Parts: sequence; C-alpha cells; structure tokens
Amino acid sequence: AQSVTQLGSHVSVSEGALVLLRCNYSSSVPPYLFWYVQYPNQGLQLLLKYTSAATLVKGINGFEAEFKKSETSFHLTKPSAHMSDAAEYFCAVSTDKLIFGTGTRLQVFP
Amino acid sequence: DTGVSQNPRHKITKRGQNVTFRCDPISEHNRLYWYRQTLGQGPEFLTYFQNEAQLEKSRLLSDRFSAERPKGSFSTLEIQRTEQGDSAMYLCASSHRDRSRTEAFFGQGTRLTVV
Repeated sequence: AQSVTQLGSHVSVSEGALVLLRCNYSSSVPPYLFWYVQYPNQGLQLLLKYTSAATLVKGINGFEAEFKKSETSFHLTKPSAHMSDAAEYFCAVSTDKLIFGTGTRLQVFP
Repeated sequence: DTGVSQNPRHKITKRGQNVTFRCDPISEHNRLYWYRQTLGQGPEFLTYFQNEAQLEKSRLLSDRFSAERPKGSFSTLEIQRTEQGDSAMYLCASSHRDRSRTEAFFGQGTRLTVV
C-alpha cells in the first residue's frame, strides 16, 4: 500500500526565511507525488507534482520539491517565505486515487 | 469558470436529519472522487466513480452514506440520519481517466456542521 508521512504538523518561519516542509513516502511502485495547498475554508490547490520526469520539480508561488528515491522523500521548499504563504500544506501519493498526509500548517511571522 | 463546483458551500443541520451535497466535475472528466476532511486532518478518500460506475468505496463510507453519479456527469453524496461526527468538509475532485494518476482538480468543498 502507498502512503505519505508529513513530519511536523506545524512549522513557523519568519517572513523572508527558508520554508522546508517534509514529506516521506512509502510505495512499492514508482510513485507519483504531489503537494497541495489549502487556505481556510477553501478546497485544495495543486502546487506541484512529480511524475517520474525531472527529480527537481518547480511549482507555483516559488515553491519547489525534490524527489529523492534513496531517502524516499519529497520535501517542499521555498527560499523566502511570504506572509501569503501561511496555509495548510498536504503531501499526497497517487494510485488510482490520491492518498494524503495529515498536513503541515505553515505560519509566517513578520 | 469550468472548474469543479460544489453546492452548497455550507450546510448546518440538526442531528438525525438527512443532507445531500452536489458536485459538478469538469465537463470532460470521467472520474469523480469524494473525500472527507475533518479539522486538522488530511482529506480521507470516501469513494470514486468512473462515468456512472462506482468503482471503489472506503470502509469510512458507512451505510448511512450513499453516493450516486447517475448519468456520469454530476454526483450527489447523501448522508442519512446525520451524527455530530459527520461534521467535516466534504471535498469533490475530478480527473480524466487517462490522467487520473497525474492530476486531480478539487472543488471548494461543502462544510457540514451537525448540531
């Protein structure tokens, strides 16, 4: 069975600081991996996805993630946090449906 | 806008009442998914359709829950005899079968509060 684990339910950074949100996956087949963002009382918006092409994936809003098979990781990063990045972030793995992690709430302080 | 549309956005109901939610997927998408999200948790898979066929149901989908997609277009999710534990955000997503592993588009969700 495929699954993802997000390490850290809350992450706090200062505006302008590096954002690092951690995701590890478990999969018996080559995985397709995703990061979604959710703002309060909203649906999920796709940030980026890995589908077995380039291991470094660039997404919207300056986010990127690197697929590391040896570490079974797909961590999300952004060099410089902005106040508008404050939201809930979900890592997911795809089979015939998306399986989500429990989420990481990102807080950005001025 | 041709995105996934969910109605209503919010629903407050009394315990024991029945509720029904609607999801209109992106028009050319033949797969439709329902998820439930409780506070502080990630979305949990409930069920999905390919066209009008319901291909998989999670064990989370108790007998009080039923989903339909009668003509392979919009879908409804009904909860009978609601309980307080049913309070959650219900999310719908759609994708094209040939790209179902690589993309899914979500609606804004229906937030259910059972009082």
